[in-house]
Amino acid sequence: SSELTQDPAVSVALGQTVRITCQGDSLRSYYASWYQQKPGQAPVLVIYGKNNRPSGIPDRFSGSSSGNTASLTITGAQAEDEADYYCNSRDSSGNLPVVFGGGTKLTVL
Amino acid sequence: QVQLQESGPGLVKPSQTLSLTCTVSGGSISSGGYYWSWIRQHPGKGLEWIGYIYYSGSTYYNPSLKSRVTISVDTSKNQFSLKLSSVTAADTAVYYCARRTYSSSKTYYFDYWGQGTLVTVSS
Repeated sequence: SSELTQDPAVSVALGQTVRITCQGDSLRSYYASWYQQKPGQAPVLVIYGKNNRPSGIPDRFSGSSSGNTASLTITGAQAEDEADYYCNSRDSSGNLPVVFGGGTKLTVL
Repeated sequence: QVQLQESGPGLVKPSQTLSLTCTVSGGSISSGGYYWSWIRQHPGKGLEWIGYIYYSGSTYYNPSLKSRVTISVDTSKNQFSLKLSSVTAADTAVYYCARRTYSSSKTYYFDYWGQGTLVTVSS
């Protein structure tokens, strides 16, 4: 399968921890990368590989993976974390080298 | 710091060809390990990968768009380009160029993005 499935919307109280998940067969073979996109802006890479953060990404962002599910965890969510989050991977079936999840809208209450 | 910048017409007529260029600065497009990509986002929707090119000229396209897409590279100008033919209103979207990095056999990611350019298909 060349699909990555995300929950359309997730909410979290300010300062609490939230996990955003991404499911797909390809995640058994490849790590997911995660992107944050705020309105009117380009996506920004927040997590890649096993659990790597690019320079400038706060350490409250972390990633993990188990079986066919990858997770992005925000520990102590801040108001500025409210955004759309997309997962991305390589398709393991060979049909599509790049596949994105449908995105999760994170609301910080 | 690598930067990418899209350029091209913001309005294209139906049935015509959409043409965009991405200029890369702060790094060489000829460096190995990177796949220079085009991604689009329809208004209010998610991200759709269009295709990518390696500096050598090797390309890979989304099968859903393959018949209409051409991506090319000009290493002398540190640019790569997108052409999408026979456009319709369904091709109206924000188009991003991005660098996809190959880190290991299990690790690929888009680490640098352009700011995006809205292309509207309308007569």
